[in-house]
Amino acid sequence: ELKVEQNPLFLSMQEGKNYTIYCNYSTTSDRLYWYRQDPGKSLESLFVLLSNGAVKQEGRLMASLDTKARLSTLHITAAVHDLSATYFCAVQSYNTDKLIFGTGTRLQVFP
Amino acid sequence: GAVVSQHPSWVICKSGTSVKIECRSLDFQATTMFWYRQFPKQSLMLMATSNEGSKATYEQGVEKDKFLINHASLTLSTLTVTSAHPEDSSFYICSLLVAHRGYTGELFFGEGSRLTVL
Repeated sequence: ELKVEQNPLFLSMQEGKNYTIYCNYSTTSDRLYWYRQDPGKSLESLFVLLSNGAVKQEGRLMASLDTKARLSTLHITAAVHDLSATYFCAVQSYNTDKLIFGTGTRLQVFP
Repeated sequence: GAVVSQHPSWVICKSGTSVKIECRSLDFQATTMFWYRQFPKQSLMLMATSNEGSKATYEQGVEKDKFLINHASLTLSTLTVTSAHPEDSSFYICSLLVAHRGYTGELFFGEGSRLTVL
């Protein structure tokens, strides 16, 4: 059974600082997604990572995938308040296409 | 523009009544849709896989008689919460699997439906 773990669960950080969110998963997959969720809203797609070594960057966020370690990271550079949200990684099952979500990381950026 | 339209966005109902949530694909043929539920401050939990023209596949622990899924056309899947109770209050999100762009599929999410059962 595919399990996805994220850490930390909650992150409070000062503007301008850097931090990394980690996403570990339990079975083979080479399809990993990162989403952002604002309170009361649905999901906003951030990154789609489809191969080992994939790295994608958008603004202050950069995501990477290591399929051998079954690990993805979401790195935040010079955080700003607008990045405050909950971030989810999700791994797509190789056989069923089901998307299994991580626990989520609630990010709070303060001045 | 939106790929998936979910309706209603928010519904409040009395305990014991049934509520239907619609998930409509706007641009693609949707042979497969997924339904998730999300409790406050928690992650999304997959409830079931909805397949066009056949019975839905439910995840372990999800009551299929309580959460009825119908996927009668290539553009519409519905989730009906039957005899709703306060513990069914949650945020329900559908997603559409689109098989294109050279790999098995990308998922697009609806806007979500917040159900409150009094």
